[in-house]
Amino acid sequence: EAQVTQNPRYLITVTGKKLTVTCSQNMNHEYMSWYRQDPGLGLRQIYYSMNVEVTDKGDVPEGYKVSRKEKRNFPLILESPSPNQTSLYFCASSPRPGLVAADTQYFGPGTRLTVL
Amino acid sequence: AQSVTQLDSQVPVFEEAPVELRCNYSSSVSVYLFWYVQYPNQGLQLLLKYLSGSTLVESINGFEAEFNKSQTSFHLRKPSVHISDTAEYFCAVSYLQGGSEKLVFGKGTKLTVNP
Repeated sequence: EAQVTQNPRYLITVTGKKLTVTCSQNMNHEYMSWYRQDPGLGLRQIYYSMNVEVTDKGDVPEGYKVSRKEKRNFPLILESPSPNQTSLYFCASSPRPGLVAADTQYFGPGTRLTVL
Repeated sequence: AQSVTQLDSQVPVFEEAPVELRCNYSSSVSVYLFWYVQYPNQGLQLLLKYLSGSTLVESINGFEAEFNKSQTSFHLRKPSVHISDTAEYFCAVSYLQGGSEKLVFGKGTKLTVNP
């Protein structure tokens, strides 16, 4: 089954404790992206990756890091989480970079993060 | 930068009533337009999209949206809603910027269908 998986689905942590949210897709997609969703703000893009070893900042990259060492994985790293990073996070992938418009983005189920 | 405005944050309706969820965008370049749906506790799913051609696009579950370039709108409509349509709906625009394709979402409209 074609899917995007995220782990963990729920996480409660404390300020400053480094964490990683994993994202994996089994569709051989080149383009992957991370979003955060906050009430009243919709989805905002954090980082995206056009292919292996190619990443770029989205609209709200501060406080986050990503890596793309393999095509299928795109982990989101919070080196020193803060309470304002409490949010619902979605990973997404699509077949080809630069063609988001013509291809469906597949979204993961989401990770609800709470930073105390 | 382009932006998307969803004029209503919440829309309550009764079952079998018609509904319109409004979406306007600002753009100085060509854009592609999308509606995504998010059911409770789930990720987003593409509902329908406008890339080119006919300005009226339809989804498999009875929703339709019309691209209106002069009014920069892409409103979503359904003539008769079901309880199962209760979800949050996001309008999005895609455009080219600096050689990269950007996807910008609106803030969402929560549709609640009551019996």
